Amino acid sequence: AQSVTQPDIHITVSEGASLELRCNYSYGATPYLFWYVQSPGQGLQLLLKYFSGDTLVQGIKGFEAEFKRSQSSFNLRKPSVHWSDAAEYFCAVGAQGAQKLVFGQGTRLTINP
Amino acid sequence: DVKVTQSSRYLVKRTGEKVFLECVQDMDHENMFWYRQDPGLGLRLIYFSYDVKMKEKGDIPEGYSVSREKKERFSLILESASTNQTSMYLCASRLWGTEAFFGQGTRLTVV
Repeated sequence: AQSVTQPDIHITVSEGASLELRCNYSYGATPYLFWYVQSPGQGLQLLLKYFSGDTLVQGIKGFEAEFKRSQSSFNLRKPSVHWSDAAEYFCAVGAQGAQKLVFGQGTRLTINP
Repeated sequence: DVKVTQSSRYLVKRTGEKVFLECVQDMDHENMFWYRQDPGLGLRLIYFSYDVKMKEKGDIPEGYSVSREKKERFSLILESASTNQTSMYLCASRLWGTEAFFGQGTRLTVV
């Protein structure tokens, strides 16, 4: 069965600092991988996705993620965070031919001024 | 722009009431989903549907049912609401092999 683990429940970084959010997945074949962001009281917005090809994926709002098959990871990065990046971030995995996505528990990001 | 619309942002219902949460998508997606979101638990799948009148249980279907009479509409039904169903409910839709698109969420409080 597919599973996703986000080891960090809550992360605090200073504005302008770099960010890395961790995501580990469990799946037998090559997965489809996603990062979503959720602002308070809102739905989820797609930041980026990986299906195949280049393992470094660029997304919206200056985010990128790297697929590392050997580590079963898909970590999200941003070189310099802005106060508006404070939100909850979800990693998700899907399988080719399957309907549903499995989500991690989420990581809440707080930005210190 | 793609759109998934949930009928209510906030709902307050009484214990024992029958509750309907409605979701409409305008993207002609085959697959639609209902998730429940609780702090520290992430998104948990309640039910999903891959075609009109077709449905499958997710991870936490107990106390819920669904209806999909038209391709664009997917309803979540709480037959007899209980306080432990107080939560944020998220609807999503997707084509096979693509990302999911989410509605804005419905925060349900059962008193």
